[in-house]
Amino acid sequence: SAVISQKPSRDICQRGTSLTIQCQVDSQVTMMFWYRQQPGQSLTLIATANQGSEATYESGFVIDKFPISRPNLTFSTLTVSNMSPEDSSIYLCSVVHREDFGYTFGSGTRLTVV
Amino acid sequence: GQQVMQIPQYQHVQEGEDFTTYCNSSTTLSNIQWYKQRPGGHPVFLIQLVKSGEVKKQKRLTFQFGEAKKNSSLHITATQTTDVGTYFCAGPTAYGQNFVFGPGTRLSVLP
Repeated sequence: SAVISQKPSRDICQRGTSLTIQCQVDSQVTMMFWYRQQPGQSLTLIATANQGSEATYESGFVIDKFPISRPNLTFSTLTVSNMSPEDSSIYLCSVVHREDFGYTFGSGTRLTVV
Repeated sequence: GQQVMQIPQYQHVQEGEDFTTYCNSSTTLSNIQWYKQRPGGHPVFLIQLVKSGEVKKQKRLTFQFGEAKKNSSLHITATQTTDVGTYFCAGPTAYGQNFVFGPGTRLSVLP
């Protein structure tokens, strides 16, 4: 299965600022996914990032708030823009295994906005 | 929209007792996946079920996919403290590229 390096692992940010989260995969993958997990909650898909095209955002998430880059098949970034305390959450990137179609997740970024 | 539900939300068991979590979808699923998330960790893929009525085992874990492919279960025999965590089921969306995660069942195992 793929190995994902995600950073930063955690950050505390001031409201109104932006944070960029990086996700590096050890193999080439077509799609990368960005999830949000609020404390004690399930995972909610933010967007799907394909190399060479615009990311596809889920209902309730917009590009201006969560711009995504996907410059190549092993790397993606998610930016949380103009942050407010409501953005405090864990953000996870993930990719799909080739063999058995399950998701591999990065270790997550725990974001606290103060 | 598609909904994936899980019960119970929480389960506390004594070590050695069995545990079962149930997953129900509002729509028929082509497949279903199960994940485990340890406290402070990230979700880890456990298994995928594809066939109607399918049963798969991983050591003390037994996974079942319902005949109608709208429900699934995860059963753990003789729980251990290492089983602590939240278990999520996930089903594909209508267009199949993404998965919708259930709310999860949080398992506590008392030694």
